[in-house]
Amino acid sequence: GAGVSQSPSNKVTEKGKDVELRCDPISGHTALYWYRQSLGQGLEFLIYFQGNSAPDKSGLPSDRFSAERTGGSVSTLTIQRTQQEDSAVYLCASRLNERPGTDEQFFGPGTRLTVL
Amino acid sequence: GQQLNQSPQSMFIQEGEDVSMNCTSSSIFNTWLWYKQEPGEGPVLLIALYKAGELTSNGRLTAQFGITRKDSFLNISASIPSDVGIYFCAGRYNFGNEKLTFGTGTRLTIIP
Repeated sequence: GAGVSQSPSNKVTEKGKDVELRCDPISGHTALYWYRQSLGQGLEFLIYFQGNSAPDKSGLPSDRFSAERTGGSVSTLTIQRTQQEDSAVYLCASRLNERPGTDEQFFGPGTRLTVL
Repeated sequence: GQQLNQSPQSMFIQEGEDVSMNCTSSSIFNTWLWYKQEPGEGPVLLIALYKAGELTSNGRLTAQFGITRKDSFLNISASIPSDVGIYFCAGRYNFGNEKLTFGTGTRLTIIP
């Protein structure tokens, strides 16, 4: 498939444990975004990557959240010492970034995180 | 984080009816987008609007970019069962990082 893929699709963890969420963007897309969607809410921006750099991390809710991207492709979002309020769907999107302002983001199916 | 005001929150309509939803913001955007999300899936782009005042159609969907750049609406004509889902508006101001600010969503349910 040529779309954005995310893994795992579901993750249940205990409070205090660390989790890693993975995003595989569309091949050739240089821009990558992470969003969080809490139950019944819209999407909340977390972080933006251009290549392997993250020029905008303004949406990360606390220092327990971090993300990296390697090889200009796969990205990992890590949440340390998870709390119950971290429970949400974490969505990844990628964009070609050849024509700023007119090429749009394509979203993956998300990872549903439940912290018990 | 910031979210756009989207209304209505939910709609229950009969097949064949027309649907209208809108989104407002306290700040201006250079782009308005409308997405649809179905259970277990990520949002899928329906319509993109790039100019204030622009009216764009995609099949039975029509969306407009408000002239003040602070609002947008989406209309769906002659609804069908596969229109069921959650519709989100999204705005973008910065052409640099292109991050999106999303509305709170409108859940559309079609009554048989």
